[in-house]
Amino acid sequence: GQQLNQSPQSMFIQEGEDVSMNCTSSSIFNTWLWYKQDPGEGPVLLIALYKAGELTSNGRLTAQFGITRKDSFLNISASIPSDVGIYFCAGLYNDMRFGAGTRLTVKP
Amino acid sequence: DTGVSQNPRHKITKRGQNVTFRCDPISEHNRLYWYRQTLGQGPEFLTYFQNEAQLEKSRLLSDRFSAERPKGSFSTLEIQRTEQGDSAMYLCASSLGGGHNQPQHFGDGTRLSIL
Repeated sequence: GQQLNQSPQSMFIQEGEDVSMNCTSSSIFNTWLWYKQDPGEGPVLLIALYKAGELTSNGRLTAQFGITRKDSFLNISASIPSDVGIYFCAGLYNDMRFGAGTRLTVKP
Repeated sequence: DTGVSQNPRHKITKRGQNVTFRCDPISEHNRLYWYRQTLGQGPEFLTYFQNEAQLEKSRLLSDRFSAERPKGSFSTLEIQRTEQGDSAMYLCASSLGGGHNQPQHFGDGTRLSIL
């Protein structure tokens, strides 16, 4: 089945730094999604990407749908303490598959 | 609150008992999904409904698991004869119809602990 490889697994950064994480797959997807999950809560949708090459921003977040349709990245600029959490990529084709997540820690 | 609602938030039960969870999707969403999430992993797809019809089931969904969406609105997920390996967060999500490209919106899940 389709496997999503998300990296890095974890990041420890200083407040104000930029963050980059990515997801790759051996299969193509029609839609890429990025979610953030806080402890004890469900994933919250951050950005949805629908076309290969698409670059979309949501405040300090920017994500891109790779040209090959097999990858996506998420950038967070000027990180703040509330950015702490686990970020998941998800690819949609006939169903939705998730990466294993990137755990982000921001030191004030 | 017009988001996806799940109840209960937490369930602790003894091995061998049956449990049932409920999900109320966003009202205009006709697709409803169930996922299971274990610690350190992303959610894993279990099953989904288009209105009241259950259209796909993962091989993760053993015969002890059953899901229903009788009127195309809320859904229930029942686990019979629970086992310790069933301990996980069970997440529900909903989306608009018209294809699998519509983003799914998640509830806060039901955390199941099997003693």
